[in-house]
Amino acid sequence: KAGVTQTPRYLIKTRGQQVTLSCSPISGHRSVSWYQQTPGQGLQFLFEYFSETQRNKGNFPGRFSGRQFSNSRSEMNVSTLELGDSALYLCASSLLSGSRYTEAFFGQGTRLTVV
Amino acid sequence: TQLLEQSPQFLSIQEGENLTVYCNSSSVFSSLQWYRQEPGEGPVLLVTVVTGGEVKKLKRLTFQFGDARKDSSLHITAAQPGDTGLYLCAGYKAAGNKLTFGGGTRVLVKP
Repeated sequence: KAGVTQTPRYLIKTRGQQVTLSCSPISGHRSVSWYQQTPGQGLQFLFEYFSETQRNKGNFPGRFSGRQFSNSRSEMNVSTLELGDSALYLCASSLLSGSRYTEAFFGQGTRLTVV
Repeated sequence: TQLLEQSPQFLSIQEGENLTVYCNSSSVFSSLQWYRQEPGEGPVLLVTVVTGGEVKKLKRLTFQFGDARKDSSLHITAAQPGDTGLYLCAGYKAAGNKLTFGGGTRVLVKP
């Protein structure tokens, strides 16, 4: 069974540009969550999608957005990139959502560097 | 402010020694998950504990969930160099369907 796939693995962008990251969840998983990981702040929750609907959002500016498609694949977009957006962006998929038995399985991440 | 406090932040031990990592919070969680992460990779789920007081064993790793579901610990017996990595605890709240991560404990096991 294939795991969570994130593309691309690495990205270098210039300040002011925008970027789109992609995540394909484990087959059958309908919940996709996105996290940002930086050395200073650790892992922070961005948002969660379930059945194409955003159900929860973290404390990030509106420049960070996402969407989910009918096949559960998800994309995350960051507009007007800032140097501080440089981070490892992680996608996690879950079979369940809103149950204490929910388990999150992470992809390898996309390393975004903003120069 | 971290809702989940992990301690210690860094551990360096010799192969064969034991170690314990702690994860503490003032919040009650629906469940708690432990992950291990290698540099440049995503976290890999090790275990999920759900019931207060629950103890789970995974070979040389023992995980415990506090009775009040606010804290957890990870104990590694006879550590090996392959146990080296960043250990992360994450509390899950079903109502918001999100994980809150601790700051991580970096473990180095020297041969």
